[in-house]
Amino acid sequence: NAGVIQTPRHKVTGKGQEATLWCEPISGHSAVFWYRQTIVQGLEFLTYFRNQAPIDDSGMPKERFSAQMPNQSHSTLKIQSTQPQDSAVYLCASSLVVGGEQYFGPGTRLTVL
Amino acid sequence: SQLAEENPWALSVHEGESVTVNCSYKTSITALQWYRQKSGEGPAQLILIRSNEREKRNGRLRATLDTSSQSSSLSITATRCEDTAVYFCATARTGGYKVVFGSGTRLLVSP
Repeated sequence: NAGVIQTPRHKVTGKGQEATLWCEPISGHSAVFWYRQTIVQGLEFLTYFRNQAPIDDSGMPKERFSAQMPNQSHSTLKIQSTQPQDSAVYLCASSLVVGGEQYFGPGTRLTVL
Repeated sequence: SQLAEENPWALSVHEGESVTVNCSYKTSITALQWYRQKSGEGPAQLILIRSNEREKRNGRLRATLDTSSQSSSLSITATRCEDTAVYFCATARTGGYKVVFGSGTRLLVSP
């Protein structure tokens, strides 16, 4: 079991460019979460999928952020027209059951210049 | 406002000493989780303590839960340098799925 896999580990983009972050949850886990972590805001919930269906995207900044889960083996977080304030570590987590232990990936550190 | 909050913000101890991190939360919960995050890694769960439990142990770790005061503590005995990390408590509202993390306690264990 390789755990939750996130790629890339680091990404640098210029202001206004698009960034796509990938997550492969643990096989068999029905819930997938995306979080953003910064020094100032801490660990913030972004969005949640259950059995691939989007359930809650209340934490997603409007307009530029979108997340998809086209199949049970991966999810993507896309940020359009990136801004310096989007710089953060983006963490993906999966859990076997809702409300249970969440297994986190190592995160993708996004730097927007 | 934060559903869960740890204190203190930071702690520094020497190897072998014991340390306690406290957590206060603001909602009715079914369980409270303690996570540890080492530098460059994602958080990893240490202990999940359910609302009908008062204490849970995992090796050198001991978590307590007091639902009347809506507080929890995580104690680490015989600390090691590798315990250096940020420690989070995390809660979800009863019946909810969204786990909310506190801002964390930064623990430094030095030789």
